[in-house]
Amino acid sequence: NAGVTQTPKFRVLKTGQSMTLLCAQDMNHEYMYWYRQDPGMGLRLIHYSVGEGTTAKGEVPDGYNVSRLKKQNFLLGLESAAPSQTSVYFCASRTGRQPQHFGDGTRLSIL
Amino acid sequence: DQQVKQNSPSLSVQEGRISILNCDYTNSMFDYFLWYKKYPAEGPTFLISISSIKDKNEDGRFTVFLNKSAKHLSLHIVPSQPGDSAVYFCAASANNYGQNFVFGPGTRLSVLP
Repeated sequence: NAGVTQTPKFRVLKTGQSMTLLCAQDMNHEYMYWYRQDPGMGLRLIHYSVGEGTTAKGEVPDGYNVSRLKKQNFLLGLESAAPSQTSVYFCASRTGRQPQHFGDGTRLSIL
Repeated sequence: DQQVKQNSPSLSVQEGRISILNCDYTNSMFDYFLWYKKYPAEGPTFLISISSIKDKNEDGRFTVFLNKSAKHLSLHIVPSQPGDSAVYFCAASANNYGQNFVFGPGTRLSVLP
């Protein structure tokens, strides 16, 4: 029972490089989320999706793009990485108004 | 402006004693509240929740209290165990908030043996 799986777990980028973080869930959940966690800031919502083919902006969407082409996958893209995007990124999914299930995070460093 | 606040960044408690973690919110439309627990290098895991129609919910050693008039909730852990040492996040949602959850900044609990 994998739950929510994030790939990769760690990554180091140079400023200006691009990359995509993958989130996969096997629970058939409608809702999926991308958060970033920074010290003293808690979890801040970047983008979310309420179903396949739909995405919406969260609290801190600038510099990120997302896609949800398949119900089980939610991709987070950084087109031109900046040092301010150094963070730990968490993906989550849920169904109805149930609590979210989180992945174990991706630690991203941008030099 | 943070809608969900956890004003204590850290808390230390002796094993066997009670741990009380506090959370305040500003949005009166919030009607569903959750606590998550997070260990290092892992994602947050759901601990306990409470709806605004209740003022208390209990699950084993964990009890959440809600005071709607004060816009305050607290998590009580009794008795505290070393394995409870983690970061605890309070989260809230409202029916008209797109069903998204707003998280507090977290409180790091250390339970000392």
